[in-house]
Amino acid sequence: RKEVEQDPGPFNVPEGATVAFNCTYSNSASQSFFWYRQDCRKEPKLLMSVYSSGNEDGRFTAQLNRASQYISLLIRDSKLSDSATYLCVVNWGSNYKLTFGKGTLLTVNP
Amino acid sequence: DTAVSQTPKYLVTQMGNDKSIKCEQNLGHDTMYWYKQDSKKFLKIMFSYNNKELIINETVPNRFSPKSPDKAHLNLHINSLELGDSAVYFCASSKHRDQPQHFGDGTRLSIL
Repeated sequence: RKEVEQDPGPFNVPEGATVAFNCTYSNSASQSFFWYRQDCRKEPKLLMSVYSSGNEDGRFTAQLNRASQYISLLIRDSKLSDSATYLCVVNWGSNYKLTFGKGTLLTVNP
Repeated sequence: DTAVSQTPKYLVTQMGNDKSIKCEQNLGHDTMYWYKQDSKKFLKIMFSYNNKELIINETVPNRFSPKSPDKAHLNLHINSLELGDSAVYFCASSKHRDQPQHFGDGTRLSIL
């Protein structure tokens, strides 16, 4: 099993749609979780951290299920500017190594 | 002001050459990283330094040597470049090891 696995995508959705991304991780000792966003030919940028109780930032909601080792990201009312690759990221170990998923490409269409 | 800056942005060179990429962060962070993103877009950690001390050293050929003269700088030197080294190399930093990371805008290395 890969350390961090994401939906393969790509996702093509119309503006205004709600889209959900899922991610599973293999190490039950994982300590912190993030969603990053990467635009084409740009650097990854932190979208949001994921907390055990779930958290929301505007149109974005992140959930964590430690028992199932599963993280999700929900985007409501999609905008054209949401088009990007979304990376699930997990941090574990004494040296706190970040492990990135391969990413899911989202294209929001007008 | 750029938080994490890498130079050069583009590097085109021939096989067998030696090259360096520099990285500086002005965020006052303790930890810095080097990542490689290959043509399949998979982002993989190479090295991490915490307060100038090497804490992560993944399975990377020893042609790659990081150097951290102080905690604001982490440079990457590559000897005897090979075709497979072509990729985008990202530098990143975080306040502490368990905190989110801020990335530089990448160095696109192409080997001819």
